[in-house]
Amino acid sequence: DIQMTQSPSSLSASVGDRVTITCRASQSISISLNWYQQKPGKAPQLLIYGASSLQSGVPSRFSGSGSGTDFTLAISGLEPEDSATYYCLQSYSAPWTFGQGTKAEIK
Amino acid sequence: QVQLVQSGAEVKKPGASVKVSCKASHYTFRNFGITWVRQAPGQGLEWMGWIRVYNGNTDYAQNLQGRVTMTTDTSTTTAYMELRSLRSDDTAIYYCARESAGNPDFWGQGTLVTVSS
Repeated sequence: DIQMTQSPSSLSASVGDRVTITCRASQSISISLNWYQQKPGKAPQLLIYGASSLQSGVPSRFSGSGSGTDFTLAISGLEPEDSATYYCLQSYSAPWTFGQGTKAEIK
Repeated sequence: QVQLVQSGAEVKKPGASVKVSCKASHYTFRNFGITWVRQAPGQGLEWMGWIRVYNGNTDYAQNLQGRVTMTTDTSTTTAYMELRSLRSDDTAIYYCARESAGNPDFWGQGTLVTVSS
């Protein structure tokens, strides 16, 4: 199974800051990497697919990069509504695996 | 707008089975897959498996093999996930999601399944 190591596990930042979250795969997954945002009591929402493609309707302050084993989600110009938990997901090979999650607190 | 509406919360005893439904609308059901993901209380997301609607092919997580069955009914555009021999650690919110080329994009609202004696 492909292991996804996500970091940091939590972060705290101010409105307007730029933050990055990383996911490292235990083997190459090409660009088969998605990023999700989950707010308490809600289903996850797709932010980025194919490592760097922005899902329709997602604000442009979210961006993704990387290929192979190392991937990054960046949020530029944090807004209060970005307070959530973020997960990466590899869909390169079954079983698909999620990162452990990053809980983002906006000060 | 694509919509996936799941069935309501369930409470089951250990050893019982549960069948969660996921009604899809506003897209061509046969052209996409359905992925199932669960989330134990306060925990992260766990992929359970997927089903290709057009041919019924499935792929299940190894730790659920033999206990889980995913099916679809194209006449009602509904997907189902049945989990048998329930244990307390199966207590979780179960989500269905439309799957497009390896990308679960639109998600259902989730179904809480509680396993308790």
